[in-house]
Amino acid sequence: IAGITQAPTSQILAAGRRMTLRCTQDMRHNAMYWYRQDLGLGLRLIHYSNTAGTTGKGEVPDGYSVSRANTDDFPLTLASAVPSQTSVYFCATSGTGRFYEQYFGPGTRLTVT
Amino acid sequence: GQNIDQPTEMTATEGAIVQINCTYQTSGFNGLFWYQQHAGEAPTFLSYNVLDGLEEKGRFSSFLSRSKGYSYLLLKELQMKDSASYLCAVTDSNYQLIWGAGTKLIIKP
Repeated sequence: IAGITQAPTSQILAAGRRMTLRCTQDMRHNAMYWYRQDLGLGLRLIHYSNTAGTTGKGEVPDGYSVSRANTDDFPLTLASAVPSQTSVYFCATSGTGRFYEQYFGPGTRLTVT
Repeated sequence: GQNIDQPTEMTATEGAIVQINCTYQTSGFNGLFWYQQHAGEAPTFLSYNVLDGLEEKGRFSSFLSRSKGYSYLLLKELQMKDSASYLCAVTDSNYQLIWGAGTKLIIKP
């Protein structure tokens, strides 16, 4: 593993189904984030975790949940998907850079039908 | 509320110079980032400003005026590969990043 990986790359999901988006890092960064990116709206923070064992809500947390059992993994779960959750989801980390800049995974493109 | 404004789209010519502006109104300020995002890819870090003034890094420079709530990204000697979206983001008083919607830059030969 090099950097941040996300799975799946893309997914088409029926409304009402449960889905977990996976994010794994090998950068040993403490902080991890989940964003969604929609055309014209920019990146919006869903949930974040400043360190293993802690999580917090971002700007648009409704309908999503996260867990942080260890440093490397930060899964995002949609308990019952709705069409408005169609988006591109990015996982990001920050930690040891000079400016604590965020590093992004490749993204998951999710379509809820 | 918190707000970051950037132009939606800009067009420039290969070899020229372009300036992308960003204005912000946030609860507190702990730094401003510029990221580049090519279509279908993840954002990548370009620059960081926390003090007023100009930061230069090769063909790219970023300027900050905290009193005016204003920043710009200056790209010189434009290349076709610079066609991308450029995202402005501000770290607020809670150290959360607030993102602008991004500026799509189109480079023409």
